[in-house]
Amino acid sequence: DAGITQSPRHKVTETGTPVTLRCHQTENHRYMYWYRQDPGHGLRLIHYSYGVKDTDKGEVSDGYSVSRSKTEDFLLTLESATSSQTSVYFCAISDRLAGGVDGELFFGEGSRLTVL
Amino acid sequence: KQEVTQIPAALSVPEGENLVLNCSFTDSAIYNLQWFRQDPGKGLTSLLLIQSSQREQTSGRLNASLDKSSGRSTLYIAASQPGDSATYLCAVPGRVTSGSRLTFGEGTQLTVNP
Repeated sequence: DAGITQSPRHKVTETGTPVTLRCHQTENHRYMYWYRQDPGHGLRLIHYSYGVKDTDKGEVSDGYSVSRSKTEDFLLTLESATSSQTSVYFCAISDRLAGGVDGELFFGEGSRLTVL
Repeated sequence: KQEVTQIPAALSVPEGENLVLNCSFTDSAIYNLQWFRQDPGKGLTSLLLIQSSQREQTSGRLNASLDKSSGRSTLYIAASQPGDSATYLCAVPGRVTSGSRLTFGEGTQLTVNP
């Protein structure tokens, strides 16, 4: 299994509070991603990073921010949590193959967030 | 915008049966396609990655094929076992210029009955 650790694995919080989820990898992969998974919507990309301090938005980035100060860590912050952000959050990593195409995507075990 | 459809949404089969899961995508300008397995409450496990230059990829009892021109991929599972019960998802990237942003299907929930 790819060395990806997400923390916390479960969190319950209240509306309006800030929340930070952490993803830590030991694979030295360049690319890191945050997805959320919801019934009826499947997996949707929130933000991704293509290097230290290099990040970009995905399709559902509103209300979320990210930071990557080290290759191994990618943080997802909900600045002011809302009930619509109740979801399971997955971190994923990948690297580039020769020719610039993407290699396999590997996922962490997920972080279940409940916003009351 | 890439759209990915997986049919059927759910499938229940007796143990030992061979089965095919389908994945279709709207934009054929892809450079690879990946199949995943997800067990309840768990993350996604990569099963197979097929590059656009390949037509098939095999791993044990799993065989995935890719037909870019028709926008389709199939995952063939031979001699299914109860341990194969899980949700299977396929994912395709956008065009090369869009970076590493995969679009996922909603998955096929497979149940293999003993």
